[in-house]
Amino acid sequence: GDSVTQMEGPVTLSEEAFLTINCTYTATGYPSLFWYVQYPGEGLQLLLKATKADDKGSNKGFEATYRKETTSFHLEKGSVQVSDSAVYFCALRLPGNQFYFGTGTSLTVIP
Amino acid sequence: GAVVSQHPSRVICKSGTSVKIECRSLDFQATTMFWYRQFPKKSLMLMATSNEGSKATYEQGVEKDKFLINHASLTLSTLTVTSAHPEDSSFYICSAQRTGTGELFFGEGSRLTVL
Repeated sequence: GDSVTQMEGPVTLSEEAFLTINCTYTATGYPSLFWYVQYPGEGLQLLLKATKADDKGSNKGFEATYRKETTSFHLEKGSVQVSDSAVYFCALRLPGNQFYFGTGTSLTVIP
Repeated sequence: GAVVSQHPSRVICKSGTSVKIECRSLDFQATTMFWYRQFPKKSLMLMATSNEGSKATYEQGVEKDKFLINHASLTLSTLTVTSAHPEDSSFYICSAQRTGTGELFFGEGSRLTVL
């Protein structure tokens, strides 16, 4: 079935370090791919998305490229900040608009 | 940005009682809303898709008689956990899909604790 596999955390990085959170997916059709972020005490917020193969989503210094050949959508940021500390969820959306989420990766950035 | 409000944010109830959780889109219309359950250290699990004016579509393994979903208007969907038991304790999150654009917005979640 359709699913998302996400790198397990928690991840702890120093400020200005490089971040990669791996995400791979399994889908029967042609899903759209998303990264959501959940800051402490808040709801899920859309971070970035890509709707077709080779698209790159970007926002707030984060990037992810939709790789159909490797069924991946890895999240990257070149220099993390303390304010990036949150839980990150990779997700896919099927044509029927159902979302399937990964398990979430907790990121803590220390000064 | 668009706001989705869930109420209550926290609820504690006794085993055997029923609990209703509301999901409202405050400044947009949502033909479709989704209900998720989030387990500790696990992903959000899609429970059901709720379309305004019609019956909800439940994911495999989700008891529709246990988790009653009603989507009576374009801005409100409710999830009722009937005859709640301790194993129903969880974090329930709704999302609302803006009619027209298809953008999805999430509520902040409702934590249910069944004693």
